[in-house]
Amino acid sequence: QQPVQSPQAVILREGEDAVINCSSSKALYSVHWYRQKHGEAPVFLMILLKGGEQKGHDKISASFNEKKQQSSLYLTASQLSYSGTYFCGTELGRGSTLGRLYFGRGTQLTVWP
Amino acid sequence: DTGVSQNPRHKITKRGQNVTFRCDPISEHNRLYWYRQTLGQGPEFLTYFQNEAQLEKSRLLSDRFSAERPKGSFSTLEIQRTEQGDSAMYLCASSMGRVNEKLFFGSGTQLSVL
Repeated sequence: QQPVQSPQAVILREGEDAVINCSSSKALYSVHWYRQKHGEAPVFLMILLKGGEQKGHDKISASFNEKKQQSSLYLTASQLSYSGTYFCGTELGRGSTLGRLYFGRGTQLTVWP
Repeated sequence: DTGVSQNPRHKITKRGQNVTFRCDPISEHNRLYWYRQTLGQGPEFLTYFQNEAQLEKSRLLSDRFSAERPKGSFSTLEIQRTEQGDSAMYLCASSMGRVNEKLFFGSGTQLSVL
């Protein structure tokens, strides 16, 4: 039930773009994205619901294709502050599992000046 | 809103000892989660509470692990007879328990079992 993230790591220069993918073998109710910096707690970025919506937050946006059970996180014109490990968390939305997230292994993003 | 607080931040123990961690969620949050994270991995679900009721325990959680949330406020996670494989970051998160709601994570307790 753990989603699969790709790539495992990305190295960028400031100003470059990146895409992080998350896919599941299970039908998804929603997808959550979090960023974690070394030694810190994961911090919420956004939630995407069924319906294929796309959300944006500053220069970070995401899409959710419920038919393919896939989500992608888009980082545009990356900044140094974007460095960290990005996790997708998937919610199956069935009975007692509603609200409980399964996290991928993470994508480590490094932005260089 | 002071955020989710976890104590201690670090715990070093010898194999076979018992350890207990504490999590104080955001005050109005009625749902509380425990996750475990090892190096290079994402958070792995352990258990969660709706108020004081423990709703689910992961099959990964052996009988040596027990969690409580008396009165639906703070929670404790106890590991008995620790093993080296228990070394990990233990994360606590809380939410209001509504659908499609984000989790607020604490900074975690880093456990090292020698």
